[in-house]
Amino acid sequence: DADVTQTPRNRITKTGKRIMLECSQTKGHDRMYWYRQDPGLGLRLIYYSFDVKDINKGEISDGYSVSRQAQAKFSLSLESAIPNQTALYFCATSDFRRGTDTQYFGPGTRLTVL
Amino acid sequence: QKEVEQDPGPLSVPEGAIVSLNCTYSNSAFQYFMWYRQYSRKGPELLMYTYSSGNKEDGRFTAQVDKSSKYISLFIRDSQPSDSATYLCAMSLYNFNKFYFGSGTKLNVKP
Repeated sequence: DADVTQTPRNRITKTGKRIMLECSQTKGHDRMYWYRQDPGLGLRLIYYSFDVKDINKGEISDGYSVSRQAQAKFSLSLESAIPNQTALYFCATSDFRRGTDTQYFGPGTRLTVL
Repeated sequence: QKEVEQDPGPLSVPEGAIVSLNCTYSNSAFQYFMWYRQYSRKGPELLMYTYSSGNKEDGRFTAQVDKSSKYISLFIRDSQPSDSATYLCAMSLYNFNKFYFGSGTKLNVKP
Protein backbone atom coordinates (compact mmCIF):
# COMPACT_ATOMS: atom_id res chain seq x y z
CA ASP A 1 0.00 0.00 0.00
CA ALA A 2 1.11 3.54 -0.72
CA ASP A 3 2.48 5.52 2.22
CA VAL A 4 0.84 8.78 1.14
CA THR A 5 -2.57 8.57 -0.50
CA GLN A 6 -4.69 11.29 -2.04
CA THR A 7 -8.38 11.27 -2.91
CA PRO A 8 -9.81 11.87 -5.39
CA ARG A 9 -7.16 11.31 -8.06
CA ASN A 10 -9.10 13.30 -10.62
CA ARG A 11 -11.88 15.82 -10.22
CA ILE A 12 -13.77 18.04 -12.59
CA THR A 13 -15.93 20.73 -11.05
CA LYS A 14 -17.61 24.01 -11.88
CA THR A 15 -16.79 27.54 -10.89
CA GLY A 16 -18.17 28.42 -7.48
CA LYS A 17 -18.33 24.88 -6.13
CA ARG A 18 -16.71 23.87 -2.85
CA ILE A 19 -14.13 21.14 -3.24
CA MET A 20 -12.19 19.11 -0.69
CA LEU A 21 -9.03 17.16 -1.44
CA GLU A 22 -7.93 14.63 1.12
CA CYS A 23 -4.55 13.28 2.08
CA SER A 24 -3.71 10.38 4.36
CA GLN A 25 -0.34 8.97 5.36
CA THR A 26 0.82 5.82 7.08
CA LYS A 27 4.43 6.94 7.50
CA GLY A 28 3.89 8.37 10.99
CA HIS A 29 5.37 11.69 9.92
CA ASP A 30 4.62 14.84 11.85
CA ARG A 31 4.76 17.37 9.02
CA MET A 32 2.35 17.57 6.12
CA TYR A 33 2.21 19.92 3.13
CA TRP A 34 -0.04 20.86 0.25
CA TYR A 35 1.46 22.01 -3.08
CA ARG A 36 0.09 22.83 -6.46
CA GLN A 37 2.01 22.22 -9.65
CA ASP A 38 1.50 24.22 -12.81
CA PRO A 39 3.47 23.91 -16.05
CA GLY A 40 6.53 26.17 -15.97
CA LEU A 41 5.93 27.21 -12.37
CA GLY A 42 6.99 24.10 -10.55
CA LEU A 43 5.72 23.24 -7.11
CA ARG A 44 4.26 26.05 -5.05
CA LEU A 45 3.46 25.67 -1.38
CA ILE A 46 -0.16 26.32 -0.37
CA TYR A 47 -0.23 25.34 3.32
CA TYR A 48 1.89 23.34 5.69
CA SER A 49 1.34 21.81 9.11
CA PHE A 50 3.99 20.78 11.61
CA ASP A 51 1.49 19.04 13.88
CA VAL A 52 -2.25 18.92 14.46
CA LYS A 53 -2.32 22.34 16.14
CA ASP A 54 0.25 24.08 13.96
CA ILE A 55 -0.92 25.19 10.52
CA ASN A 56 0.83 27.79 8.40
CA LYS A 57 0.19 29.57 5.13
CA GLY A 58 2.49 29.01 2.22
CA GLU A 59 3.18 31.33 -0.67
CA ILE A 60 -0.20 30.93 -2.41
CA SER A 61 -2.81 30.32 0.29
CA ASP A 62 -5.47 32.75 -0.96
CA GLY A 63 -8.64 30.89 -1.96
CA TYR A 64 -7.63 27.76 -0.04
CA SER A 65 -8.13 26.46 3.48
CA VAL A 66 -6.88 23.36 5.27
CA SER A 67 -7.76 21.10 8.15
CA ARG A 68 -5.44 18.73 10.01
CA GLN A 69 -7.92 16.28 11.41
CA ALA A 70 -5.29 13.96 12.85
CA GLN A 71 -1.58 13.44 12.55
CA ALA A 72 -2.20 11.22 9.54
CA LYS A 73 -4.82 13.34 7.75
CA PHE A 74 -4.56 16.72 6.09
CA SER A 75 -7.29 18.04 3.82
CA LEU A 76 -7.30 20.99 1.43
CA SER A 77 -10.50 22.89 0.61
CA LEU A 78 -11.33 25.28 -2.17
CA GLU A 79 -14.22 27.27 -0.78
CA SER A 80 -15.38 28.60 -4.13
CA ALA A 81 -13.43 27.09 -6.98
CA ILE A 82 -12.28 29.27 -9.87
CA PRO A 83 -10.77 28.24 -13.22
CA ASN A 84 -7.23 29.40 -12.37
CA GLN A 85 -7.20 26.82 -9.58
CA THR A 86 -7.04 24.16 -12.26
CA ALA A 87 -3.78 22.37 -11.47
CA LEU A 88 -2.14 19.23 -10.16
CA TYR A 89 -2.25 19.14 -6.36
CA PHE A 90 0.23 17.20 -4.26
CA CYS A 91 0.27 16.31 -0.63
CA ALA A 92 3.63 15.62 0.99
CA THR A 93 4.89 14.51 4.38
CA SER A 94 8.18 14.78 6.22
CA ASP A 95 9.60 13.75 9.57
CA PHE A 96 11.76 16.39 11.17
CA ARG A 97 11.97 14.49 14.45
CA ARG A 98 14.53 12.16 12.91
CA GLY A 99 17.00 15.02 12.58
CA THR A 100 16.97 15.12 8.83
CA ASP A 101 14.09 15.99 6.61
CA THR A 102 13.01 14.92 3.17
CA GLN A 103 9.58 15.06 1.67
CA TYR A 104 7.51 12.16 0.45
CA PHE A 105 4.81 12.94 -2.06
CA GLY A 106 1.45 11.45 -2.77
CA PRO A 107 0.38 10.54 -6.32
CA GLY A 108 -1.42 13.84 -6.89
CA THR A 109 -4.95 15.04 -7.61
CA ARG A 110 -5.68 16.50 -11.01
CA LEU A 111 -8.31 19.20 -10.53
CA THR A 112 -10.12 20.91 -13.37
CA VAL A 113 -12.38 23.87 -12.69
CA LEU A 114 -14.69 24.73 -15.57
CA GLN B 1 13.54 36.99 -8.46
CA LYS B 2 12.64 33.38 -7.75
CA GLU B 3 14.47 31.68 -4.90
CA VAL B 4 15.44 28.75 -7.11
CA GLU B 5 16.00 28.85 -10.85
CA GLN B 6 16.06 25.81 -13.09
CA ASP B 7 16.16 25.52 -16.86
CA PRO B 8 12.89 23.85 -17.92
CA GLY B 9 14.42 22.11 -20.94
CA PRO B 10 13.41 19.86 -22.52
CA LEU B 11 16.77 18.17 -22.67
CA SER B 12 17.08 15.34 -25.17
CA VAL B 13 20.10 13.01 -25.12
CA PRO B 14 21.00 9.62 -26.62
CA GLU B 15 21.13 6.56 -24.42
CA GLY B 16 24.47 6.24 -22.66
CA ALA B 17 25.17 9.96 -22.56
CA ILE B 18 26.24 11.85 -19.45
CA VAL B 19 23.51 14.24 -18.38
CA SER B 20 24.07 17.41 -16.38
CA LEU B 21 21.13 19.10 -14.70
CA ASN B 22 21.58 22.36 -12.82
CA CYS B 23 19.91 24.83 -10.48
CA THR B 24 20.94 28.19 -9.16
CA TYR B 25 19.61 29.82 -6.04
CA SER B 26 19.67 33.20 -4.38
CA ASN B 27 19.43 32.47 -0.64
CA SER B 28 22.86 31.75 0.82
CA ALA B 29 21.21 30.33 3.96
CA PHE B 30 20.05 27.16 2.22
CA GLN B 31 21.71 24.17 3.86
CA TYR B 32 20.01 21.11 2.42
CA PHE B 33 19.80 20.28 -1.25
CA MET B 34 17.68 17.64 -2.88
CA TRP B 35 16.91 16.24 -6.29
CA TYR B 36 13.54 14.71 -7.07
CA ARG B 37 12.52 12.72 -10.09
CA GLN B 38 8.97 12.94 -11.37
CA TYR B 39 7.56 10.60 -13.95
CA SER B 40 4.56 11.67 -15.96
CA ARG B 41 1.34 11.62 -13.93
CA LYS B 42 3.19 10.67 -10.75
CA GLY B 43 4.30 12.48 -7.61
CA PRO B 44 7.93 13.53 -7.21
CA GLU B 45 10.21 10.96 -5.57
CA LEU B 46 13.42 11.75 -3.75
CA LEU B 47 16.52 10.85 -5.72
CA MET B 48 19.44 12.46 -3.92
CA TYR B 49 19.96 14.45 -0.74
CA THR B 50 23.05 16.43 0.26
CA TYR B 51 23.97 18.68 3.11
CA SER B 52 26.06 21.81 2.52
CA SER B 53 28.80 21.79 -0.12
CA GLY B 54 30.45 18.82 -1.76
CA ASN B 55 29.62 15.77 -3.82
CA LYS B 56 27.49 12.74 -3.17
CA GLU B 57 27.37 9.69 -5.37
CA ASP B 58 24.72 7.00 -5.60
CA GLY B 59 25.13 4.52 -8.43
CA ARG B 60 24.91 6.37 -11.73
CA PHE B 61 23.87 9.61 -10.00
CA THR B 62 26.14 12.29 -8.55
CA ALA B 63 24.88 15.38 -6.77
CA GLN B 64 27.20 18.35 -6.49
CA VAL B 65 26.75 21.49 -4.40
CA ASP B 66 28.83 24.66 -4.78
CA LYS B 67 27.61 27.05 -2.10
CA SER B 68 30.12 29.73 -3.05
CA SER B 69 28.51 29.97 -6.48
CA LYS B 70 24.99 29.12 -5.27
CA TYR B 71 24.86 26.36 -7.83
CA ILE B 72 23.89 22.71 -7.62
CA SER B 73 24.14 19.96 -10.20
CA LEU B 74 22.93 16.44 -10.78
CA PHE B 75 24.96 14.22 -13.08
CA ILE B 76 23.57 11.05 -14.58
CA ARG B 77 26.10 8.65 -16.08
CA ASP B 78 25.23 6.06 -18.71
CA SER B 79 21.74 7.52 -19.07
CA GLN B 80 18.91 5.11 -19.80
CA PRO B 81 15.49 5.59 -21.40
CA SER B 82 14.02 4.86 -17.96
CA ASP B 83 15.70 8.06 -16.74
CA SER B 84 13.30 10.04 -18.92
CA ALA B 85 11.39 12.19 -16.44
CA THR B 86 11.24 15.67 -15.01
CA TYR B 87 13.94 16.42 -12.46
CA LEU B 88 13.26 18.98 -9.75
CA CYS B 89 15.81 20.49 -7.47
CA ALA B 90 14.76 21.54 -3.98
CA MET B 91 16.41 23.22 -1.05
CA SER B 92 15.66 24.15 2.51
CA LEU B 93 17.03 26.08 5.41
CA TYR B 94 18.61 24.45 8.46
CA ASN B 95 15.23 24.17 10.19
CA PHE B 96 13.40 22.58 7.25
CA ASN B 97 10.46 24.91 7.72
CA LYS B 98 9.87 25.14 4.01
CA PHE B 99 11.16 23.59 0.87
CA TYR B 100 11.86 25.65 -2.21
CA PHE B 101 11.55 23.89 -5.53
CA GLY B 102 12.86 24.63 -8.97
CA SER B 103 10.38 24.45 -11.81
CA GLY B 104 11.88 21.19 -13.10
CA THR B 105 13.89 20.11 -16.15
CA LYS B 106 12.29 17.61 -18.50
CA LEU B 107 14.78 14.98 -19.66
CA ASN B 108 14.26 12.63 -22.60
CA VAL B 109 16.76 9.82 -23.11
CA LYS B 110 16.41 8.37 -26.59
CA PRO B 111 17.11 4.65 -27.16
